[in-house]
Amino acid sequence: NAGVTQTPKFRILKIGQSMTLQCAQDMNHNYMYWYRQDPGMGLKLIYYSVGAGITDKGEVPNGYNVSRSTTEDFPLRLELAAPSQTSVYFCASSYSRGSRVDTQYFGPGTRLTVL
Amino acid sequence: EDQVTQSPEALRLQEGESSSLNCSYTVSGLRGLFWYRQDPGKGPEFLFTLYSAGEEKEKERLKATLTKKESFLHITAPKPEDSATYLCAVQVIQGGKLIFGQGTELSVKP
Repeated sequence: NAGVTQTPKFRILKIGQSMTLQCAQDMNHNYMYWYRQDPGMGLKLIYYSVGAGITDKGEVPNGYNVSRSTTEDFPLRLELAAPSQTSVYFCASSYSRGSRVDTQYFGPGTRLTVL
Repeated sequence: EDQVTQSPEALRLQEGESSSLNCSYTVSGLRGLFWYRQDPGKGPEFLFTLYSAGEEKEKERLKATLTKKESFLHITAPKPEDSATYLCAVQVIQGGKLIFGQGTELSVKP
């Protein structure tokens, strides 16, 4: 299994440009997540999905959009890039059923710089 | 407000010098506490899950413990390859999301 994969690894955007960060998992996990990590800060949840067709906002959703058309893929869309979106983005996935505690497994990250 | 705080922010040890990292939390209801290791430029790597006060888990030189208000990650006789940032995260009952601490950056010198 490849686990959680993310593309691209690095990207530089100009202010106002758009892009999609790709995330895929091959573990048949139902839950998927997007986090951002800024220096000296903990990971902050942007969006998450409990299954195909179902998404919900996390702590810091402004400026981002997501969709989940398949179990495997969970792309994150930045519509109008701003310098405040310069960060490292991590995708994660887990298998959850009811109240069972689930371990989240993370991808390698995408380092995004907005200039 | 649910909150997770890790201390210290950075820890420098000599090889073989044992120590502990702290993760204190205030949450409305704890479902589980997770420890992750993160190497520079990589994603967090799962280490342990603790479910209830009094529980302990071990893996090589690492041992994680849990009380009702905090968790400790004990590192016994560390080696340079243990150098990394260690992240603590709490899963709350309400909504089931993870709340991360800011991490402890551990450096072990030979």
